[in-house]
Amino acid sequence: EAGVVQSPRYKIIEKKQPVAFWCNPISGHNTLYWYLQNLGQGPELLIRYENEEAVDDSQLPKDRFSAERLKGVDSTLKIQPAELGDSAVYLCASSLGGGAHNEQFFGPGTRLTVL
Amino acid sequence: KQEVTQIPAALSVPEGENLVLNCSFTDSAIYNLQWFRQDPGKGLTSLLLIQSSQREQTSGRLNASLDKSSGRSTLYIAASQPGDSATYLCAVVDSNYQLIWGAGTKLIIKP
Repeated sequence: EAGVVQSPRYKIIEKKQPVAFWCNPISGHNTLYWYLQNLGQGPELLIRYENEEAVDDSQLPKDRFSAERLKGVDSTLKIQPAELGDSAVYLCASSLGGGAHNEQFFGPGTRLTVL
Repeated sequence: KQEVTQIPAALSVPEGENLVLNCSFTDSAIYNLQWFRQDPGKGLTSLLLIQSSQREQTSGRLNASLDKSSGRSTLYIAASQPGDSATYLCAVVDSNYQLIWGAGTKLIIKP
């Protein structure tokens, strides 16, 4: 069974440029998460989807970040414009449901470097 | 606000030793606690999940314990191997169903 797929794996851009990340969750997983992980820290939740609905986006910096999951499967996370402080690893995870006992499975992440 | 702390931040031990990684959390109202492994350039792999009603879980050479009342968990690794070198993170599911993470312990096993 394929795990969570993310692309690209690495991205280097100049500040003020736009960037987009793509995630394909495990088949049948209704819940999808986007996390940001800075070096030496644990992941921080950006947004959580239940099917196509964003049920928790309180930590998403909405002035420059946006996300979508139009058909309740794949998801994209966009930053426009990117800033130097956005350099981090962006992780996507999925689970069967959003309840407390549903284990999350993580993709390999996209490492973003903003110059 | 739930906070998760992992001590030490880094640990280096000779191959073959048994070792313990520590995790503490400030609010005992958790649904479960998970231990993850993260290798450089890779995603997170779940190692053990302990439900709030459980005291421990075991998988191979790994044993995780949970003391909810004191806000502590330990991950015990027996007979460590160089392949165990990675960053180990613990995370708790809080009352909002969110995973709250520690910063991790970077483990190096010396051959």
